[in-house]
Amino acid sequence: SAVISQKPSRDICQRGTSLTIQCQVDSQVTMMFWYRQQPGQSLTLIATANQGSEATYESGFVIDKFPISRPNLTFSTLTVSNMSPEDSSIYLCSANSYNEQFFGPGTRLTVL
Amino acid sequence: AQSVTQLGSHVSVSEGALVLLRCNYSSSVPPYLFWYVQYPNQGLQLLLKYTSAATLVKGINGFEAEFKKSETSFHLTKPSAHMSDAAEYFCAVTEAGGTYKYIFGTGTRLKVLA
Repeated sequence: SAVISQKPSRDICQRGTSLTIQCQVDSQVTMMFWYRQQPGQSLTLIATANQGSEATYESGFVIDKFPISRPNLTFSTLTVSNMSPEDSSIYLCSANSYNEQFFGPGTRLTVL
Repeated sequence: AQSVTQLGSHVSVSEGALVLLRCNYSSSVPPYLFWYVQYPNQGLQLLLKYTSAATLVKGINGFEAEFKKSETSFHLTKPSAHMSDAAEYFCAVTEAGGTYKYIFGTGTRLKVLA
């Protein structure tokens, strides 16, 4: 199994600013992902964080808005740039280990 | 393309009654299927998974699900609901041996009535 931690757990930010969310896995994993869960909705995949190369973004998500880093096999960051109230969501990091996907506790972001 | 449909965004059952949460999938390749539970203000926890072994899968907290290829279904059941089962339940699909990208259903909020 994999234990995933995220920082911060929650934040309240002003419009136009940026927030970087950190994700740490307690073991080396090949695949890491970032999801968004908007209020009362399901999870939407933002991107696959690739170690040593640019992230792979899903339709509707772009690197300028959601830059992602993956410097090694246990760590990734997601930045939410130039935030607006529509970015208020829970952002979840996940990692795949032995055909099972583990999720972090999420970062609850509120943009005013 | 893969997709998941969860019928019923809200389901209410009485304590002690059968829980049935429906999930149908669409996949052009053999899928892996999962049920996750999310309690209020918490992350997702894996309940059970189907990865092409036994079609009847038993999970934690007394839940089980049966993979029915002919019906493209993976419904979640529990014989007797407990108050602590009240939560949001998500069905997810991924491509067997593929990219490990998960596609989630829209979720079903389970309410357990005393």
